[in-house]
Amino acid sequence: KAGVTQTPRYLIKTRGQQVTLSCSPISGHRSVSWYQQTPGQGLQFLFEYFSETQRNKGNFPGRFSGRQFSNSRSEMNVSTLELGDSALYLCASSLRTAITEAFFGQGTRLTVV
Amino acid sequence: AQKVTQAQTEISVVEKEDVTLDCVYETRDTTYYLFWYKQPPSGELVFLIRRNSFDEQNEISGRYSWNFQKSTSSFNFTITASQVVDSAVYFCALTIRSSARQLTFGSGTQLTVLP
Repeated sequence: KAGVTQTPRYLIKTRGQQVTLSCSPISGHRSVSWYQQTPGQGLQFLFEYFSETQRNKGNFPGRFSGRQFSNSRSEMNVSTLELGDSALYLCASSLRTAITEAFFGQGTRLTVV
Repeated sequence: AQKVTQAQTEISVVEKEDVTLDCVYETRDTTYYLFWYKQPPSGELVFLIRRNSFDEQNEISGRYSWNFQKSTSSFNFTITASQVVDSAVYFCALTIRSSARQLTFGSGTQLTVLP
């Protein structure tokens, strides 16, 4: 059974640009959550998507957005990049029928210069 | 709001020693779920265990064991006979029923097992 796949693994962007990250969940998992991991703030919840709808949102500015497709694949977008957006972005997939563990991908390492 | 505290930032042990990672949580909800994840250098968070607030039974799985105590709001994790491959960052996390996919993580404990 394939795990959670995130692409790309590494990205370097310039301040002011925008970026799109992709996440393919485990087959059969319909919930996708995104997290930002930085040395200063640790792991922080960004948002969760289920059935193509955003269900929960963390405390991040509107520059951070996402979407989910009918095949459960998800993308997150960050517009007008700032240096502080440099982080490891992790995607997690899970079943939503019960409170179960989330399975994480290896993440996308974004560096903003 | 939920909060998870991992007071130990870094721990170093010599191989074969036992090590306990501490986790203290805060929540006003009576139904909540606790998790431990391991993050090796590759970056992927690896799920280790999940516990429900209404299940205080402790668990042993191979060299791993967990001690959940609601009275002290703690969910500690012990590795017995540690191995070099156990070196990683370990995260404790919490979620509540109403926002089930929103994990609140502790700051993590970097465990280094020396040969």
